[in-house]
Amino acid sequence: EVQLVESGGGLVQPGMSLRLCCAVFGGMSRDRAMHWVRQTAGKGLEWVSGIYWDSSRIGYADSVRGRFTTSRDNAKNSLYLQMDSLRPEDTAIYYCVEDGSSGEADVWGQGTTVTVSS
Amino acid sequence: DVVLTQSPLSLPVTLGQPASISCRSSHSLGNTYLNWFQQRPGQSPRRLIYKVSNRDSGVPDRFSGSGSGTDFTLNISRVEAEDVALYYCMQGADWPYTFGQGTSLEIK
Repeated sequence: EVQLVESGGGLVQPGMSLRLCCAVFGGMSRDRAMHWVRQTAGKGLEWVSGIYWDSSRIGYADSVRGRFTTSRDNAKNSLYLQMDSLRPEDTAIYYCVEDGSSGEADVWGQGTTVTVSS
Repeated sequence: DVVLTQSPLSLPVTLGQPASISCRSSHSLGNTYLNWFQQRPGQSPRRLIYKVSNRDSGVPDRFSGSGSGTDFTLNISRVEAEDVALYYCMQGADWPYTFGQGTSLEIK
C-alpha cells in the first residue's frame, strides 16, 4: 500500500520561498499522476498542481502559476513543490495526492502546514 | 473550470437516520469522473466513492453514490457517530481538479 509523507512546511514571510517534499513509500506507480492540493479554512480544498508520471505534463492553478514549480524524481520516489514569492493567501495545509488505478485522488498524505505571515 | 455546487452545506442528522448530499456540476461529467471524499476532524481527506458509484476498499456499505451528467448524490443509509465529518465531491475529468464547497455532517 502506498503511503505519502509530506515535509518542508513552516512559517515564512511574504515574498520568501519554501520547498515542499513528498516521500512516496511503497513505490511510485507507473503511469500515475501526482498532485498538490491545499486546504484553507475559508476556501476549502483547492487543486494546486499536477504532474504526470514521466513529467510530460505539468499543470498549475491560476493562483500559483508563475510562482510555484512542481517536479518529481521517480528514482528517489519523491515529489516536490518549489514555492516562490509566497503570499499570505498561500497559507494552507498542503497535501500530496496520488491518482490510483481506480481513478483520481486515491491516496493522500497527512499534509504539511505553510504559514505566510510577517 | 468545472464548478461543483454542493447542498446542503450543513447537515444535522439523527443517529440511525439516512442522509443525502447533492453535488451539481457546471459541465457534464458523464458517469465517470465524480468522486466523494470524507474528512474527519483533524484528518486528511479520504476517498469514499470513485467513478460516481464505486466504494473504495474498507468503506462501509451504508455509503453509496449515484448520478450522471451534472447531478450526483452521496447517500448514507443509516448515519453512525463515526460519520461526523466534512464531505466533498471532486471532479477528475481534467485539470484543474475541482472540489465542492464541502458539507458538514453533524449529529442532532
